[in-house]
Amino acid sequence: GAVVSQHPSRVICKSGTSVKIECRSLDFQATTMFWYRQFPKQSLMLMATSNEGSKATYEQGVEKDKFLINHASLTLSTLTVTSAHPEDSSFYICSARVASYEQYFGPGTRLTVT
Amino acid sequence: GENVEQHPSTLSVQEGDSAVIKCTYSDSASNYFPWYKQELGKRPQLIIDIRSNVGEKKDQRIAVTLNKTAKHFSLHITETQPEDSAVYFCAAGGGSYIPTFGRGTSLIVHP
Repeated sequence: GAVVSQHPSRVICKSGTSVKIECRSLDFQATTMFWYRQFPKQSLMLMATSNEGSKATYEQGVEKDKFLINHASLTLSTLTVTSAHPEDSSFYICSARVASYEQYFGPGTRLTVT
Repeated sequence: GENVEQHPSTLSVQEGDSAVIKCTYSDSASNYFPWYKQELGKRPQLIIDIRSNVGEKKDQRIAVTLNKTAKHFSLHITETQPEDSAVYFCAAGGGSYIPTFGRGTSLIVHP
């Protein structure tokens, strides 16, 4: 299947700082990528849909000024958590859509805000 | 929007038994139904999917069935093994496929 990488895998930052997470499709071009947040023992919560060359579409309740998404190329989307707080600590996972339906996930980023 | 319900939340079976996980969806426009397996701390992995023009699909020990009239689909795992232990998520999506995930089922296979 298609390979999606995510970097970093783990990050610890201090409250008030910003953190950037990168999501790359390694062997295919992805016009659409998705960003999810996952709390322990819970499902994947879709945060936003990232389309190459256009603004991201955010789900209801997700602050677009806090979670900045940039999809500058067909293989890279970034999520920046601005002014992070402890409640932003979570597992963030990106995915990329192949063709019309199939979706492949990155390995996730464990964010801890102290 | 789409609403996906998944049951059970936890499923415990003995090695060699079968396991069945069920999902229902609300949007009749949904036409793609994937299943993902997620091991602790790892990414969800697509294990099988089905489209609305098919009623059943099988891949070795895994099968998925779809009843469009009733708006439900199920994952069947036969001859379960300890390495099948994981959280399984169903999802449903339409033509543009903004996926909606179920809440997940924690499958525990006891050796």
